Amino acid sequence: GAGVSQTPSNKVTEKGKYVELRCDPISGHTALYWYRQSLGQGPEFLIYFQGTGAADDSGLPNDRFFAVRPEGSVSTLKIQRTERGDSAMYLCASSPGTGANTEAFFGQGTRLTVV
Amino acid sequence: KNQVEQSPQSLIILEGKNCTLQCNYTVSPFSNLRWYKQDTGRGPVSLTIMTFSENTKSNGRYTATLDADTKQSSLHITASQLSDSASYICVVSHLDSNYQLIWGAGTKLIIKP
Repeated sequence: GAGVSQTPSNKVTEKGKYVELRCDPISGHTALYWYRQSLGQGPEFLIYFQGTGAADDSGLPNDRFFAVRPEGSVSTLKIQRTERGDSAMYLCASSPGTGANTEAFFGQGTRLTVV
Repeated sequence: KNQVEQSPQSLIILEGKNCTLQCNYTVSPFSNLRWYKQDTGRGPVSLTIMTFSENTKSNGRYTATLDADTKQSSLHITASQLSDSASYICVVSHLDSNYQLIWGAGTKLIIKP
């Protein structure tokens, strides 16, 4: 596609429920990143994929968070037993590589609200 | 600790005026520094990317400078427009993990007519 696409754009869920957030990266981009952004703060790194594998998942806050990218393209961020503190904007980005001057392109984000 | 600090936290200027936003970082070793523009409720959009060997880079009315010795960067906006109202975020990548970007909290810029 022309840009990084994230769906849904907004998600409201009840505490304790399971949610999935989807990211469609730019076609051909091998690197994919998930970030979480709280109001008034910069994005916080969650996980980075190179191809199908999670090259670094050190930013995932706990084992309720999991992400997959089975075919090296679309990625899904999965959150189990959601808590009110999970409410944030979840941003996905992709890039053709991870070189020093490689630009990362961001999607519009999914605004998650846990009530 | 690797940190990125930005100032001012917020800024209001009149349309047509210029402004300069500041960024200080402590990331070492340093790979590159980026400036992003983020509209409210939207994803960040890249304005400039600079490596340690670059001192200045322009993108239209946006000009970024970098002093790798003092670990400071600035973003200068010329002849501001109403559409420039947004948060401007300074982002630094660590040489050892180029993908794990270290983000500043941003400067919220408001342009008034």
